[in-house]
Parts: sequence; C-alpha cells; structure tokens
Amino acid sequence: KAGVTQTPRYLIKTRGQQVTLSCSPISGHRSVSWYQQTPGQGLQFLFEYFSETQRNKGNFPGRFSGRQFSNSRSEMNVSTLELGDSALYLCASSLDPDRGRDGYTFGSGTRLTVV
Amino acid sequence: GQNIDQPTEMTATEGAIVQINCTYQTSGFNGLFWYQQHAGEAPTFLSYNVLDGLEEKGRFSSFLSRSKGYSYLLLKELQMKDSASYLCALNRDDKIIFGKGTRLHILP
Repeated sequence: KAGVTQTPRYLIKTRGQQVTLSCSPISGHRSVSWYQQTPGQGLQFLFEYFSETQRNKGNFPGRFSGRQFSNSRSEMNVSTLELGDSALYLCASSLDPDRGRDGYTFGSGTRLTVV
Repeated sequence: GQNIDQPTEMTATEGAIVQINCTYQTSGFNGLFWYQQHAGEAPTFLSYNVLDGLEEKGRFSSFLSRSKGYSYLLLKELQMKDSASYLCALNRDDKIIFGKGTRLHILP
C-alpha cells in the first residue's frame, strides 16, 4: 500500500511569504501529526489531527496552522515566514488514534528553506 | 516536564554490539518508541515498549525500566547500513515526544 506522501519535497521561500505543505496519510489512517525537525532541536511536535479535528498543539506561534480534510489529507500553513522556519517538516500518520504499538509512519518530509 | 536525554553521537565497529541509552523525566506515558532515521530520510519504526523488560526483534533489542526512567536500544552484529540516527520517543496521551536522537557511526 502507498505510504505517507508529502508534497512538495523541497521549497524555497522568502522571508515574509507564506507556505502550505500537504500530507496524504496511509489509506485508512485517520490520525495525522506534524513535526518540525532541525539539527539543533530535533523533532518538535506541531499539531495532531484526528477526524478533521485538531486534538493537540505544540508550542509554536500562531503563524503555524493546519487542517485536515474529510479524506484525512492534511495541510499545514506557515505565514509570515522567518529565517528560523527553515527546517524539515515531517508528517506522520497512524491507524490507532492513540498511536498504539505501531506508532507513526512518517512521510519523507518537505525541506523548507527561507531566504 | 518530559526531558528526554540521549548521547549526541556514538561510534562502533562493524560486527560489534552497541547500546544506545535514553533517560527521561516525565509524569506519565503509555509506552516508549525507538525510531531509526538515515540521513535525508524519514524516521522508521524499530520498537515499542509498554512494560518493563527486554523486547527482542532480530539484531535489535529494546529495554525499558519505568522505575529508573531509562531505556536502551541494543544493536548486535553491527552492519554499515546501521549508520543512522536513533530516536527515543515517549508516547503520551496527547502526543509523541522525541529525544534529539543519537547519531551512530559504524567503522569498518
């Protein structure tokens, strides 16, 4: 079966712009989470969606937002980009709403560079 | 809080055994994951410990002691392809929290 698909793979944006990243989970997975990965901070939790509802949110400013559609696909948006937003953004899906023993399946990520 | 601590880097020799430790402080969690991440790739699931003790899966084993706030990942018969980052993560009710990972270098 197809894995978690993230688009685009690479993105270069200018400070002040906004960006939308897309994630298609594994078919049947209704839980989608987003993480930001940087060399200094590791994987940091952004938010989690389940059945179109945001269940949890990490400690990121309001410039970071997301949503989930009825087909479980999810998007995240970052407005007013800053240089520090340059990172790998990873989406992960799970069959079990509580993650359970199978944990997450991650997508390959979107590498965002802000210049 | 739920600080998760892992060594930043480790080096081991092909064919040897290496143990990657993870310590944490948290008020509660459902289980502990280990993930492997090769450079430029997505993290992939290795193991999940709910109860104290050792879980073995081929060349990889993972151990958990809730009372000691400690886990380790044991890799046996190291191969060059095991060169990667290894991430310890706590599964809480609200989210999975990751440590910063241990970068493992394998020498021939």
